[in-house]
Amino acid sequence: GESVGLHLPTLSVQEGDNSIINCAYSNSASDYFIWYKQESGKGPQFIIDIRSNMDKRQGQRVTVLLNKTVKHLSLQIAATQPGDSAVYFCAENGGSYIPTFGRGTSLIVHP
Amino acid sequence: DTGVSQDPRHKITKRGQNVTFRCDPISEHNRLYWYRQTLGQGPEFLTYFQNEAQLEKSRLLSDRFSAERPKGSFSTLEIQRTEQGDSAMYLCAGESGTGEGNTEAFFGQGTRLTVV
Repeated sequence: GESVGLHLPTLSVQEGDNSIINCAYSNSASDYFIWYKQESGKGPQFIIDIRSNMDKRQGQRVTVLLNKTVKHLSLQIAATQPGDSAVYFCAENGGSYIPTFGRGTSLIVHP
Repeated sequence: DTGVSQDPRHKITKRGQNVTFRCDPISEHNRLYWYRQTLGQGPEFLTYFQNEAQLEKSRLLSDRFSAERPKGSFSTLEIQRTEQGDSAMYLCAGESGTGEGNTEAFFGQGTRLTVV
């Protein structure tokens, strides 16, 4: 079946570096994508979303890039801070209303 | 604070017992989702409500699971005859969806279920 997945399960960076977390999706019907951050023991926290009619969207210190040609999504975090350490999930809606999640990438920020 | 609250935060129960979880989204959340998450995995979809109507259920939702949203506001998820494999984090999300498209879904802090 179609699924959402992540290339790297763990990403380690130094404080102040930029981080890039990647996500591949395979459902071509997906027209809405979300990035979530999840800290241990907590629910996923919305970071940023993007619709399929866009290829880039920026928030505070975060940028999401969407490449529909290769079905790839990325989350860029500028000037990564220790507080950014968490598991990051991308989710797609598969053309329906239901967000479908991948496995997640663990981001570790070293001070 | 997403405005979505879940109760209880933690539940330990003996195998075979029934448990019920509650989710309170904000009033604008006409869409409500239940997910289950196990360690090291992403949230897995269980079921989805549009107002009080349950519109979709995952194959993960066996006949021991039932969810309701009687007035289109709070929702409950009941698990009957719990099994050890039901141990997981149960997450609820609310979305202020209107029209055809999605908007951001906001999650509660989840209910951690441990079946012993």
